Amino acid sequence: AQSVSQHNHHVILSEAASLELGCNYSYGGTVNLFWYVQYPGQHLQLLLKYFSGDPLVKGIKGFEAEFIKSKFSFNLRKPSVQWSDTAEYFCAVGSFSGGGADGLTFGKGTHLIIQP
Amino acid sequence: NAGVMQNPRHLVRRRGQEARLRCSPMKGHSHVYWYRQLPEEGLKFMVYLQKENIIDESGMPKERFSAEFPKEGPSILRIQQVVRGDSAAYFCASSPERTGSFNSNQPQHFGDGTRLSIL
Repeated sequence: AQSVSQHNHHVILSEAASLELGCNYSYGGTVNLFWYVQYPGQHLQLLLKYFSGDPLVKGIKGFEAEFIKSKFSFNLRKPSVQWSDTAEYFCAVGSFSGGGADGLTFGKGTHLIIQP
Repeated sequence: NAGVMQNPRHLVRRRGQEARLRCSPMKGHSHVYWYRQLPEEGLKFMVYLQKENIIDESGMPKERFSAEFPKEGPSILRIQQVVRGDSAAYFCASSPERTGSFNSNQPQHFGDGTRLSIL
């Protein structure tokens, strides 16, 4: 069974600080990788995704993530955070197996608080 | 440009009652996924349905839980004889194609969720 580990459950940063949220997964086969964000009181929104190709993917709102296959990692980064980035961030993995493994496996989430 | 619509947003039930959660996928999407989020936990996959078919229910509890996605109307997640441990947020996602296939490059789009509270 695959699993997703997000290392930081709570992160507090000041505006303009750089951000890196860790995500590691355990699965030996082909994977799709996602970062979702959930702003307070809202639904999950897709930040970015990786399916294949360039392992450095750029998403919305200045976020990017790098897939490092050898480390089973897909860390999320942003060079300069804003107060409006305060939210819950979820890393998710979709894998393929036989007839398809359609349910995503999510990490427990990282609660990011940006202080003005 | 309606997204995935879930209702109700909040549902309160007493132990032993039934809970029905509804999900209308995005327009053009015929694939629906249900997830459950317990406090301080990530989302856990429950079931994947296409129109009129359950494709993968590997994450669904064996008893009291059922799901359907009829030809017409929303997908329904039904919980019979609810217990306190069923209190959670239930999220629905949809996609235009099967996201677990090798040819797919489609993400799942999520609804706002239904927060179920059991008294």
